[in-house]
Amino acid sequence: AAGVIQSPRHLIKEKRETATLKCYPIPRHDTVYWYQQGPGQDPQFLISFYEKMQSDKGSIPDRFSAQQFSDYHSELNMSSLELGDSALYFCASSKQGGLNTEAFFGQGTRLTVV
Amino acid sequence: AQKVTQAQTEISVVEKEDVTLDCVYETRDTTYYLFWYKQPPSGELVFLIRRNSFDEQNEISGRYSWNFQKSTSSFNFTITASQVVDSAVYFCALSEETDSWGKLQFGAGTQVVVTP
Repeated sequence: AAGVIQSPRHLIKEKRETATLKCYPIPRHDTVYWYQQGPGQDPQFLISFYEKMQSDKGSIPDRFSAQQFSDYHSELNMSSLELGDSALYFCASSKQGGLNTEAFFGQGTRLTVV
Repeated sequence: AQKVTQAQTEISVVEKEDVTLDCVYETRDTTYYLFWYKQPPSGELVFLIRRNSFDEQNEISGRYSWNFQKSTSSFNFTITASQVVDSAVYFCALSEETDSWGKLQFGAGTQVVVTP
């Protein structure tokens, strides 16, 4: 079965650079969630989109932005990167409405800021 | 305030032993959802189970079983006859959203180490 696809899997950036993470949800899933997991930490919710509109916002820094496109894929844009942004970034997708599904996570993008 | 508490940081067992992971949650909502996810060393998050707040029936799936008790706000997870492949970090999570189960509040996780 198709899963959530995230790209790239690994990314190394320098301080103050920008990064773009991509997420392709499971087919027919209409909701995308972004999470940040620091080393040894639990995943923290950043932001979510439902039907291409932002549906909820968590602890996402102002330097980060995200959007969901017409094909339901999503991109997380991170600017002015800081060392503390080094983390595993997960995207998850689900289906809302009468056929709610739990969230299925991608394999994550490991971002290292040097 | 942490809404999901996993007090056990790490549990080490020898293969074939049983291991129980504790999860205590806090919510004011009457409708909520509880989850367990597994994170193996490779890093991905693997969905294991979802329980609705109105369904306290315990569940067994192979070597995995879950004990949900609203009276104590606990949702514990037991691995029976553990195997080396069970070595992972296990996260308990809570969703207070009724139409979107992807916004999760995770516990700190419990590292399970199974040695041969």
